[in-house]
Amino acid sequence: DAGITQSPRHKVTETGTPVTLRCHQTENHRYMYWYRQDPGHGLRLIHYSYGVKDTDKGEVSDGYSVSRSKTEDFLLTLESATSSQTSVYFCAIRDGSTDTQYFGPGTRLTVL
Amino acid sequence: EDQVTQSPEALRLQEGESSSLNCSYTVSGLRGLFWYRQDPGKGPEFLFTLYSAGEEKEKERLKATLTKKESFLHITAPKPEDSATYLCAGLYSSASKIIFGSGTRLSIRP
Repeated sequence: DAGITQSPRHKVTETGTPVTLRCHQTENHRYMYWYRQDPGHGLRLIHYSYGVKDTDKGEVSDGYSVSRSKTEDFLLTLESATSSQTSVYFCAIRDGSTDTQYFGPGTRLTVL
Repeated sequence: EDQVTQSPEALRLQEGESSSLNCSYTVSGLRGLFWYRQDPGKGPEFLFTLYSAGEEKEKERLKATLTKKESFLHITAPKPEDSATYLCAGLYSSASKIIFGSGTRLSIRP
């Protein structure tokens, strides 16, 4: 257990509304990641962070923004949700000493 | 563009029938190769990290190996509880990114 929690675990929202997903870690890891997982596409990187206020884009970053004001929290925001953003979202941390990623339990987001 | 490709997409085996899953990857810039197991409705669970060609890691009925251009996850005498999706991922030094393959869905029939 790498001490990663995600909230909410399930969310249903409507097209055009803003949505923020939260990832919280308890072990002070520098690197944090947001992925989405869809059938046929596997895990795709949305954004990642390599420190407080240091973030970078992944392969599917359009329509998403992130913020990291504290080491322990990494927020993913959908400014105006679309149906194509219906997915399961996973947060992960990377243990810098072993390069191993550990994943949270996921958030299932449905955009109607 | 860095890529990680897994095959087959799905594999159905009888209990006790050994087999292997394949993961091929972009060689340039690879720092490490990871294997994960994912059960339905859960996040991926870390299994192994491999760093250099020839390296092998084992855990119960699973053994992961790495060559210069691909990795294999060997499953020996599998049991129904080994049914899951197995993911491999490459860590690349160019941008500290981890690229995942699409996974192999493994189903073991009793």
